[in-house]
Amino acid sequence: EPEVTQTPSHQVTQMGQEVILRCVPISNHLYFYWYRQILGQKVEFLVSFYNNEISEKSEIFDDQFSVERPDGSNFTLKIRSTKLEDSAMYFCASGPHNTGELFFGEGSRLTVL
Amino acid sequence: RKEVEQDPGPFNVPEGATVAFNCTYSNSASQSFFWYRQDCRKEPKLLMSVYSSGNEDGRFTAQLNRASQYISLLIRDSKLSDSATYLCVVNMKNSGYALNFGKGTSLLVTP
Repeated sequence: EPEVTQTPSHQVTQMGQEVILRCVPISNHLYFYWYRQILGQKVEFLVSFYNNEISEKSEIFDDQFSVERPDGSNFTLKIRSTKLEDSAMYFCASGPHNTGELFFGEGSRLTVL
Repeated sequence: RKEVEQDPGPFNVPEGATVAFNCTYSNSASQSFFWYRQDCRKEPKLLMSVYSSGNEDGRFTAQLNRASQYISLLIRDSKLSDSATYLCVVNMKNSGYALNFGKGTSLLVTP
């Protein structure tokens, strides 16, 4: 069964460092997303990406964040100058259509010290 | 007011029981509704979409009341494997891009 894969599964970084989280969406999907979940909190939308550009982004997704699809398979989330409050599980998701029926990866846990 | 509200539970039920979860949403312009499940420290997984006329998938039945901005999920004949957190999910605007998740309702099915 096709799946969304994410790397790394866990990253520990120092405050102020840059982090890149990587995702390989399901191959025939067209819509890509990043969500995050702070421990004990709800899943929060960060950004959606379609046709090589950002479709929508939340207030959380400020200038500190960027996304890129550098090739035909990878979808990355970059966090510049990480802060303590960036510690969370970051989920990549993809979908074949513009609906809420998404397939999530297993997540990348980011710990900022 | 929270955009998607759910009773956090936990709901502890014996195997074979029927359990119902409720959810309310604040944005009357929302068009798409879903139930996802999330196992502990795992990713959300789509359980089912919720349609205006209500829909059923095996032991699971979802209902939508647009007038009351209310969504429900009924699980019949609970299995141990149903133990998880059930997330009510609504699209934020009149688009499919951004989903708004509830915090979830925790279900524990016991032998």
